[in-house]
Amino acid sequence: DIVMTQSPDSLAVSLGERATINCKSSQSVLYSSNNKNCLAWYQRKPGQPPKLLVYWASTRQSGVPDRFSGSGSGTDFTLTISSLQAEDVAVYYCQQYYSTPPTFGPGTRVDI
Amino acid sequence: QVQLQESGPGLVKPSETLSLICTVSGGSMSSYYWNWIRQSPGKGLEWIGYIYYSGSTNYNPSLKSRVTISVDTSKNQFSLKLSSVTAADTAVYYCARDGGRDYGDYVFDYWGQGTLVTVSS
Repeated sequence: DIVMTQSPDSLAVSLGERATINCKSSQSVLYSSNNKNCLAWYQRKPGQPPKLLVYWASTRQSGVPDRFSGSGSGTDFTLTISSLQAEDVAVYYCQQYYSTPPTFGPGTRVDI
Repeated sequence: QVQLQESGPGLVKPSETLSLICTVSGGSMSSYYWNWIRQSPGKGLEWIGYIYYSGSTNYNPSLKSRVTISVDTSKNQFSLKLSSVTAADTAVYYCARDGGRDYGDYVFDYWGQGTLVTVSS
């Protein structure tokens, strides 16, 4: 299985400031047939299920605010929240879907 | 808007079978893969397996010997059975839809609220 790691475990950011979350996969998740990275990001707020934010490493899901952006390739990826809002307090997970079984990172908690 | 809702017992005894149902509303089950995912404190988010609307399945090898997923499209439901449970199977169980080829396989665009299942005597 591909092992996903995230850093930091948690971070606290002031309102309006940038939050950066890192994700690393134990092997490349770049799909050669379409040159896209099989990496998704999810947001989980307390008492709610995970919500898809980004797929193909950098494609925002419909309805997701543009302050959320994904980047990276191969084994190293980043989710950036450009201007943190109060409603962004949550745990964020990366997930690879390059190979079965799909696997998730342990999560990064973002607080104000 | 597609909605998913898990239902089933919140307490299961060790060695027994965990059974959950996911009811899909607001859309058809056709042409999608329907998944079970769980989250426990010790292991984080773990994909359990999927069923295609036509009935084909794929399971996580780590659970394959104990998992059965089935579908009843006439009721817009799919179900999970996990046998011989232990305390390690205590988790919040989610059902989720795979968004389809535009997303790449195994990207989950709709999730149920989740249901906590505790394994204890």
